[in-house]
Amino acid sequence: DAGVIQSPRHEVTEMGQEVTLRCKPISGHNSLFWYRQTMMRGLELLIYFNNNVPIDDSGMPEDRFSAKMPNASFSTLKIQPSEPRDSAVYFCASTLGGTDNEQFFGPGTRLTVL
Amino acid sequence: AQSVTQLGSHVSVSEGALVLLRCNYSSSVPPYLFWYVQYPNQGLQLLLKYTSAATLVKGINGFEAEFKKSETSFHLTKPSAHMSDAAEYFCAVSGTGRRALTFGSGTRLQVQP
Repeated sequence: DAGVIQSPRHEVTEMGQEVTLRCKPISGHNSLFWYRQTMMRGLELLIYFNNNVPIDDSGMPEDRFSAKMPNASFSTLKIQPSEPRDSAVYFCASTLGGTDNEQFFGPGTRLTVL
Repeated sequence: AQSVTQLGSHVSVSEGALVLLRCNYSSSVPPYLFWYVQYPNQGLQLLLKYTSAATLVKGINGFEAEFKKSETSFHLTKPSAHMSDAAEYFCAVSGTGRRALTFGSGTRLQVQP
């Protein structure tokens, strides 16, 4: 299995630009998570989907952030407009089944907003 | 609500020495507890997990952790550190009705030759 795939691996953009991060979960997994990692706040949940439906988006910082999962094999996280404080590593993770199951993480997208 | 506290943001040990990374949790429901490892510029990899079966959990790479309900702890240990163990380690908790993980702040382990 190829594991969780994220693209791009690195993104550098200017403040005010739209940024789209992409994730392909492991085939057959039914839950998908977006996490953000920063020095100041550590690893925090942004949103998660179960069977393509958003279940908990309480971690989404503000209206500038949006996430979609149009099908079981693809999800996007969009930031519009981007700000320097959005600079972070964004991880996508997927799992199958219950709360006690291992989440498999992608390699992350390192976002830098200038 | 759930939370995790990792004591010590940096731990340094000598090669061959005992590794002890501390994790305390708070949870209003029976917790599921995890330890993940992150190597530089990589994603997180599961080391081990506690899901209410045995309280002593063995994981990959010689690591183990013991769930102690009375102390609300889930400390990670390894009898003998190896240079390749140098990484950042995260304790995390989930629970019934909440699939997402709540992570601790992480502990960076350095292994000195």
